[in-house]
Amino acid sequence: DGGITQSPKYLFRKEGQNVTLSCEQNLNHDAMYWYRQDPGQGLRLIYYSQIVNDFQKGDIAEGYSVSREKKESFPLTVTSAQKNPTAFYLCASSIGEVPEAFFGQGTRLTVV
Amino acid sequence: ILNVEQSPQSLHVQEGDSTNFTCSFPSSNFYALHWYRWETAKSPKALFVMTLNGDEKKKGRISATLNTKEGYSYLYIKGSQPEDSATYLCAFIPRNNNDMRFGAGTRLTVKP
Repeated sequence: DGGITQSPKYLFRKEGQNVTLSCEQNLNHDAMYWYRQDPGQGLRLIYYSQIVNDFQKGDIAEGYSVSREKKESFPLTVTSAQKNPTAFYLCASSIGEVPEAFFGQGTRLTVV
Repeated sequence: ILNVEQSPQSLHVQEGDSTNFTCSFPSSNFYALHWYRWETAKSPKALFVMTLNGDEKKKGRISATLNTKEGYSYLYIKGSQPEDSATYLCAFIPRNNNDMRFGAGTRLTVKP
């Protein structure tokens, strides 16, 4: 059953700790994306990757880091430098010339 | 930062009403425009992928139009049903890039 999986669904961390959100896809998609959603706002692009070992900053990359060592995986690390890390995080992937995106279920991160 | 704007932010209609909402995007450097439907507790799912000026797409009671020269797309729902209640997102994809930028969405509530 192909798809894109984010884990965990809910995550709690203490302020000052780094935390890594997982995103895995078995769709053989080339491109992967991380978005952040805050209450009442839309999806804002954090990072995206078009191929393995390459990624680009989105609009709000500060305080985040990513890696793309494998095609299937695009983990997002929320570092202690991110001032307001509590949010809902969505991962997506796409393939093709006109890249329709497929989304994971999201991870809700709460930093206390 | 690419500005993708959607209006209205939210919409409440009665069952059977027809409705429409707008997505505006930069008219230069256009490659594609996507519409997604995001139901509560689910992942966003693609409705339409639009690439050509003048494109009109239809899926059941939902249709969309695209004007790339002036930078807008309309989504229409004919005879709204309670199951149409969701947030409708548009995403702009610029040429030479795969960084999808989303609008804030239109939250539609259809009352029985």
